[in-house]
Amino acid sequence: SQTIHQWPATLVQPVGSPLSLECTVEGTSNPNLYWYRQAAGRGLQLLFYSVGIGQISSEVPQNLSASRPQDRQFILSSKKLLLSDSGFYLCAWSGGGSGRRETQYFGPGTRLLVL
Amino acid sequence: KQEVTQIPAALSVPEGENLVLNCSFTDSAIYNLQWFRQDPGKGLTSLLLIQSSQREQTSGRLNASLDKSSGRSTLYIAASQPGDSATYLCAVRQAQAGTALIFGKGTTLSVSS
Repeated sequence: SQTIHQWPATLVQPVGSPLSLECTVEGTSNPNLYWYRQAAGRGLQLLFYSVGIGQISSEVPQNLSASRPQDRQFILSSKKLLLSDSGFYLCAWSGGGSGRRETQYFGPGTRLLVL
Repeated sequence: KQEVTQIPAALSVPEGENLVLNCSFTDSAIYNLQWFRQDPGKGLTSLLLIQSSQREQTSGRLNASLDKSSGRSTLYIAASQPGDSATYLCAVRQAQAGTALIFGKGTTLSVSS
């Protein structure tokens, strides 16, 4: 069966510090991968998605970036965090290909607090 | 631009009641609609996925319907239990805009025993 892991579970970082959140998927190959952010009082917002190694699409302009160094690994990064980056970050995967008809499965999330 | 709205924002019911959660979307050109459950501080669990060509999907005590032409979906929960307490999120996948899911803000359900 497929599983998705995220770490860390919780992170408290000062403004201006770097960020690296990791997501890995097991039990499937060539998945579509996604990073979402859920800010307090707001809905889930797609940040990045990837249909293959090295292929990243950004949905919103921001100071975050994403990378996919391996087929089942998705990393969210920032060089300098802002207060507005605080939120709950969720990684998700779906079946490969166009993926438009597939269910998305979510990881446990990382809660980030920027002080 | 697609917008997804969920009403009500919060709902409290006694155990055993049947209830309906509503989701509406502004652009009917969707590939599918998905209902999720989110427990506090946790990730999302997929409940039901309805393709644009389908009218409803059922899983246990859950039934989701889709009326694409009117831009509406409902999630029906039969015989509610305290363990159903969570936030329920509706999300649509656009037909043209890549693979992004667009989410509503959710309905927070509380079922008292």
